[in-house]
Amino acid sequence: EAGVVQSPRYKIIEKKQPVAFWCNPISGHNTLYWYRQNLGQGPELLIRYENEEAVDDSQLPKDRFSAERLKGVDSTLKIQPAELGDSAVYLCASSLDQWFSGGNSYNEQFFGPGTRLTVL
Amino acid sequence: AQSVTQLDSQVPVFEEAPVELRCNYSSSVSVYLFWYVQYPNQGLQLLLKYLSGSTLVKGINGFEAEFNKSQTSFHLRKPSVHISDTAEYFCAVSVGGATNKLIFGTGTLLAVQP
Repeated sequence: EAGVVQSPRYKIIEKKQPVAFWCNPISGHNTLYWYRQNLGQGPELLIRYENEEAVDDSQLPKDRFSAERLKGVDSTLKIQPAELGDSAVYLCASSLDQWFSGGNSYNEQFFGPGTRLTVL
Repeated sequence: AQSVTQLDSQVPVFEEAPVELRCNYSSSVSVYLFWYVQYPNQGLQLLLKYLSGSTLVKGINGFEAEFNKSQTSFHLRKPSVHISDTAEYFCAVSVGGATNKLIFGTGTLLAVQP
């Protein structure tokens, strides 16, 4: 079974330029996540989709970042315009929600290899 | 709010020696706990998880972790490491319910030396 696919793997751009990252989740996974991982840090959630709906985008800098997940499958994350501080690895993950009795849920998130963005 | 602390940014160890990577969390509610491994230029891979039940959790590649509620810790251990275990290790906490949001620590680089 194919894992989470991300492209491109590496991207170098000048500041103020736009950039886009693409993610194709594991087939059948209904939940998709975008994380940003700064150098020497753990990943931080930017946005979470359940099917086509963005259910948590509280950490997404909406002035320059946007995301979409049309048809509830693959997703695109865009930055326009990029700033020096946006240099990081952008990780995509997907999961198939599983629910325990009592309303609690657990879902294993499967991560893609990431896109390493360098803004000059 | 939940948070995760990994006090050791780097742990050097010789091959075949035991290792412990420390993780402490803060949360006022029940949590799920995870350890992920990240090899260079790769995504994160789940090593093991604690959801409920036995506090000693066994994972892949010979790793295990123990959940200690009174000390709010979830330390990762391996009795004998290999060169191939060299990687970044991240502890993470997730609050159950509808959020499924993972909060990661800053990571610990396990550097195994021959």
